[in-house]
Amino acid sequence: DAGVIQSPRHEVTEMGQEVTLRCKPISGHDYLFWYRQTMMRGLELLIYFNNNVPIDDSGMPEDRFSAKMPNASFSTLKIQPSEPRDSAVYFCASSLNRGTYQPQHFGDGTRLSIL
Amino acid sequence: RKEVEQDPGPFNVPEGATVAFNCTYSNSASQSFFWYRQDCRKEPKLLMSVYSSGNEDGRFTAQLNRASQYISLLIRDSKLSDSATYLCVVSDNAGNNRKLIWGLGTSLAVNP
Repeated sequence: DAGVIQSPRHEVTEMGQEVTLRCKPISGHDYLFWYRQTMMRGLELLIYFNNNVPIDDSGMPEDRFSAKMPNASFSTLKIQPSEPRDSAVYFCASSLNRGTYQPQHFGDGTRLSIL
Repeated sequence: RKEVEQDPGPFNVPEGATVAFNCTYSNSASQSFFWYRQDCRKEPKLLMSVYSSGNEDGRFTAQLNRASQYISLLIRDSKLSDSATYLCVVSDNAGNNRKLIWGLGTSLAVNP
């Protein structure tokens, strides 16, 4: 079975440009999570969705960040305009809703560098 | 105080050694606990859930002490392939909240 699929794997762009990260969760999973990972701050939850509806976006750094989930098989995270401090690895993860906590399955991540 | 604290290491051990990692968490309402493993430049992967009574999976043993808000991971007979960063993870709180709080990780290097 296919796991969580993220694209692109790597992105290098100049500050001020719009960046769009994409994620396809595991089929049948109800929850989708966007994380950012840096050496200093570790893994930080940005936003998560349940059945395509955003539940908690308190981790989104500022208005430059936005996320959408138009259907159960696709989500985007956009940064506009991008800044050098946005450089990080961005992970998408998905999980099932089966009562007790289900493990989160991660994609390979997008390595983002803003010059 | 950080919500989930871990000794960053690195832990350098020889093959066959036993190594233990500790983790403390601040939210007494947390209900679910996990250890994830992350290889260099890879995504985190679930290693094991941590249950109140403690649990074992092969060479790995996890313990939970709710009173002290403390979680541990013991690796016996360590292998070269165990070299990775181990992330302690706790749920934000009970109910429908699916947020997980992640430690910064403990780095392990197993040497031949």
